[in-house]
Amino acid sequence: QVTLKESGPALVKPTQTLTLTCSFSGFSLNSNGMRVSWIRQPPGKALEWLAHIDWDDDKFYSTSLKTRLTISKDPSKNQVVLTMTNMDPVDTATYYCARMIRGGVFDYWGQGPLVTVSS
Amino acid sequence: DIQMTQSPSSLSASVGDRVTITCQASQDITNYLNWYQQKPGKAPKLLIYDASNLETGVPSRFSGSGSGTDFTFTISSLQPEDIATYYCQQFDNLPLTFGGGTKVEIK
Repeated sequence: QVTLKESGPALVKPTQTLTLTCSFSGFSLNSNGMRVSWIRQPPGKALEWLAHIDWDDDKFYSTSLKTRLTISKDPSKNQVVLTMTNMDPVDTATYYCARMIRGGVFDYWGQGPLVTVSS
Repeated sequence: DIQMTQSPSSLSASVGDRVTITCQASQDITNYLNWYQQKPGKAPKLLIYDASNLETGVPSRFSGSGSGTDFTFTISSLQPEDIATYYCQQFDNLPLTFGGGTKVEIK
């Protein structure tokens, strides 16, 4: 059974760095073709893909956010970590991690915690 | 970046009605198009992948079609549990992009 769960702070201050951890089970990020993505959704708005990391450690980022994002993995712990620097109130959103297969199909999602950016 | 334009942004229909949502890509994405359902307060759920393939366990009243730039998502007979927002998503090119969503309500 595939599961993913995000963890991290519910509240961050402007200019701070957000660190989110995705803990997963039921699959291996060492398997050929496996990827984990981060996707966010501001309240009442659409989904936005942020980044993904491949089984061979290739990393890909949103065009508009790539200077602020870093994604990494620890396959031994079944975890993927996303950091986003210089947080702003417009970054307030629910942040999801998702398993990505076949180059871009999100077949399993975490529950997604709401992260609020406020002083 | 490839822009995905969904329409309508919202719709209201009666139980049993046929519901159709369209998604247009700003460039040819062949069939690299997925559809997701998101219920309030929940994570999105994959319904259709590769434009027309039904994900395992998804009811057959859901279907998708199209290729190139124009795609359609259909609920053949709307059920009360289908109340949700539906999103299309392309994976032909990075960055991966989603449509703006279509909120489906019961009339």
